[in-house]
Amino acid sequence: SAVISQKPSRDICQRGTSLTIQCQVDSQVTMMFWYRQQPGQSLTLIATANQGSEATYESGFVIDKFPISRPNLTFSTLTVSNMSPEDSSIYLCSVDGRANYGYTFGSGTRLTVV
Amino acid sequence: GQQLNQSPQSMFIQEGEDVSMNCTSSSIFNTWLWYKQDPGEGPVLLIALYKAGELTSNGRLTAQFGTTRKDSFLNISASIPSDVGIYFCAGQRGTGNQFYFGTGTSLTVIP
Repeated sequence: SAVISQKPSRDICQRGTSLTIQCQVDSQVTMMFWYRQQPGQSLTLIATANQGSEATYESGFVIDKFPISRPNLTFSTLTVSNMSPEDSSIYLCSVDGRANYGYTFGSGTRLTVV
Repeated sequence: GQQLNQSPQSMFIQEGEDVSMNCTSSSIFNTWLWYKQDPGEGPVLLIALYKAGELTSNGRLTAQFGTTRKDSFLNISASIPSDVGIYFCAGQRGTGNQFYFGTGTSLTVIP
């Protein structure tokens, strides 16, 4: 299955600032996904990022708040903009491993907004 | 969004005991996945199920794709301390569609 490197692994940020999270995959993948996991909660899909097209956002998530880049088939970034304490969560990128491997996740970025 | 309910929400068991947990949905899914998440880590895929009625094992873990396609089950036999973590189910309606995640089952194994 694909190996995903995600960074930073954690960060503490001031409210009103922005943080960009990077996700690097060791193989070319068509679809990359960004999830949010709020404290003690399950995973919620933020958006799907395909190379060469605009990301597709799920209900409740907007591009101005969570801009996504997908410059090539092995890399994507998620920016959390104008952060507030409510944005404190774990953010995870994921790829569709296919070949019966389901979805593979990065180790996540633990964000705390103060 | 789609809600997948997992039960139980949490479990406290003695080492060596067997564990059973399940995941139910109001919708039909074509794929079910089971993940385990350790603290500070991303979820790790345990088992993938692609066919109604399918029973698949991975070591001490066995998962089943429910015949109604609205549920799935995960069993862990002879639990050990490293089984501690949160177990999530995830369902997908069709290829290329998103996966919806369950509410999670927190497992604690008492040595």
